[in-house]
Amino acid sequence: DGGITQSPKYLFRKEGQNVTLSCEQNLNHDAMYWYRQDPGQGLRLIYYSQIVNDFQKGDIAEGYSVSREKKESFPLTVTSAQKNPTAFYLCASSTTKGRTGANVLTFGAGSRLTVL
Amino acid sequence: AQSVTQPDIHITVSEGASLELRCNYSYGATPYLFWYVQSPGQGLQLLLKYFSGDTLVQGIKGFEAEFKRSQSSFNLRKPSVHWSDAAEYFCAVGADDYKLSFGAGTTVTVRA
Repeated sequence: DGGITQSPKYLFRKEGQNVTLSCEQNLNHDAMYWYRQDPGQGLRLIYYSQIVNDFQKGDIAEGYSVSREKKESFPLTVTSAQKNPTAFYLCASSTTKGRTGANVLTFGAGSRLTVL
Repeated sequence: AQSVTQPDIHITVSEGASLELRCNYSYGATPYLFWYVQSPGQGLQLLLKYFSGDTLVQGIKGFEAEFKRSQSSFNLRKPSVHWSDAAEYFCAVGADDYKLSFGAGTTVTVRA
């Protein structure tokens, strides 16, 4: 079955450490996204990529980095510069056909990062 | 830029009763509107979407939503709630870029 796989599901980090969250999709989607979810704040866009080797900052990119070397993969690194990294992180993908704002997102199951 | 407001943080409804979740958006043109549902600890699943045409749209799991341009609203409804509908519901609006703007979400609790 096609879908998005995020790993790990739970991750614990000590302060000052970088961590990388994995996101892999087999939907043949061109666009991929990373969202951060905090209680009562909905989803906020961190980074998105419309095509391989290209990505753009979202609304809260500071302290995060991404790469898009393959169409299927869009890993997110949470760096030590991110002041409050404890959150639920969601990866999503979509096609890029037609009107851009109309693209339906398919989400992974999420990764919960806790800083100790 | 577009924005979304979900006025109700938490709603409790009895099983079998009707449910309505409110969503108001801010956008200068006709937006693309979505409702997603999230079960605890899971990703989001699309319930329904509105792009154009008939302002009453049907979705999965018996949900429907009505687009009202004059009120800038896209409220979600279900005539009879099941215990499995307990979840968090997000309204989202898309515009001319690849970014969706999500509301803060409404948590639905279903009591027996």
